[in-house]
Amino acid sequence: DAGITQSPRHKVTETGTPVTLRCHQTENHRYMYWYRQDPGHGLRLIHYSYGVKDTDKGEVSDGYSVSRSKTEDFLLTLESATSSQTSVYFCAISGPSLSGGAPGELFFGEGSRLTVL
Amino acid sequence: GQQVMQIPQYQHVQEGEDFTTYCNSSTTLSNIQWYKQRPGGHPVFLIQLVKSGEVKKQKRLTFQFGEAKKNSSLHITATQTTDVGTYFCAGPGTDKLIFGTGTRLQVFP
Repeated sequence: DAGITQSPRHKVTETGTPVTLRCHQTENHRYMYWYRQDPGHGLRLIHYSYGVKDTDKGEVSDGYSVSRSKTEDFLLTLESATSSQTSVYFCAISGPSLSGGAPGELFFGEGSRLTVL
Repeated sequence: GQQVMQIPQYQHVQEGEDFTTYCNSSTTLSNIQWYKQRPGGHPVFLIQLVKSGEVKKQKRLTFQFGEAKKNSSLHITATQTTDVGTYFCAGPGTDKLIFGTGTRLQVFP
């Protein structure tokens, strides 16, 4: 398995509190992603990074921010958590695709289950 | 924006029956990837298809990329209980991967 870890794995918090999820990789991959997974919605991209300090929004970025100050760490922050952000959050990493484009195969972390009461 | 749709959303089969999930993109894809997620687990990469009309096999799994590179399918022959899970296709955008909605497969022994 690829060297990718997420923390915390489980968290329960209250509405309005800030939450930060961490994704750490040991593969030196350029690309890092944050997805959320909810029943009936599959995997939806929140934010992604294509290099240190280079990030961009995904399809469901409202209410989330990210930072990547070094290659190995990608942080996802909920400034003021809401109940609609209760979800399972997956971090993923990838290198370039074999076909030359990006991204290549994604390696996922184990997921972080967040409950906002 | 780019959309990737999958059908069916759910499929229940008897062990030994075949299973197929279909993936359709709103845009032409340079490649398509397939992932499997076991219940309670994380998605795991299965395969990538690149060429128009490409067909690849992994044991009982057959993957196909359409001639127009806008659709793909995954066919499982003679399902087993170990095939249970959700199967996702994914197409590349700029520096990112867009996932389909997934097909959840349930196999009854």
